[in-house]
Amino acid sequence: NAGVIQTPRHKVTGKGQEATLWCEPISGHSAVFWYRQTIVQGLEFLTYFRNQAPIDDSGMPKERFSAQMPNQSHSTLKIQSTQPQDSAVYLCASSSQGWEQYFGPGTRLTVL
Amino acid sequence: GDQVKQSPSALSLQEGTNSALRCNFSIATTTVQWFLQNPRGSLMNLFYLVPGTKENGRLKSTFNSKESYSTLHIRDAQLEDSGTYFCAVNNNAGAKLTFGGGTRLTVRP
Repeated sequence: NAGVIQTPRHKVTGKGQEATLWCEPISGHSAVFWYRQTIVQGLEFLTYFRNQAPIDDSGMPKERFSAQMPNQSHSTLKIQSTQPQDSAVYLCASSSQGWEQYFGPGTRLTVL
Repeated sequence: GDQVKQSPSALSLQEGTNSALRCNFSIATTTVQWFLQNPRGSLMNLFYLVPGTKENGRLKSTFNSKESYSTLHIRDAQLEDSGTYFCAVNNNAGAKLTFGGGTRLTVRP
């Protein structure tokens, strides 16, 4: 079991560019979660899917952020027109029928 | 406000000693998870708790739902226990986790 896979591990973008982050959940897990970690705000929930359907996006910034789960094997988090304040480690987690979540290694996004 | 508070925020232990980390929460929750974030940033699962106690090697954790807290006990601390410990609770209304601010643990030789 490879665990949750996130790519890329590091991404550097210029202000105003688009960034797409990828997550492959643990095989057989039905739920995928996205979180963001910064020094100031700590670990914050963004959004989650269950059986590919969006369930709760209450943590997503209303503008520029979007997430999709086109199939059971991957989810993407897209940030349009990136800003320096979007710099963070973006963490993906997955869970099976229960609620225990397993996290990937994260993508460190740096917006210059 | 802070719905999940961890204490202490930082802790330094001599190798071989014992300690306890605390997690207090002000939201209704059915489960508590404890994680260790290593220096590379990966979150490793330590415990997934319903009300009650679990033990794994030198670690033991308790979730008291009536008094809204959880504890993580570390016995015979080792150098590899160093890192940041996070507790997280799931809101009764859903599956998302709300995290505490973490306890940074340093184990000294």
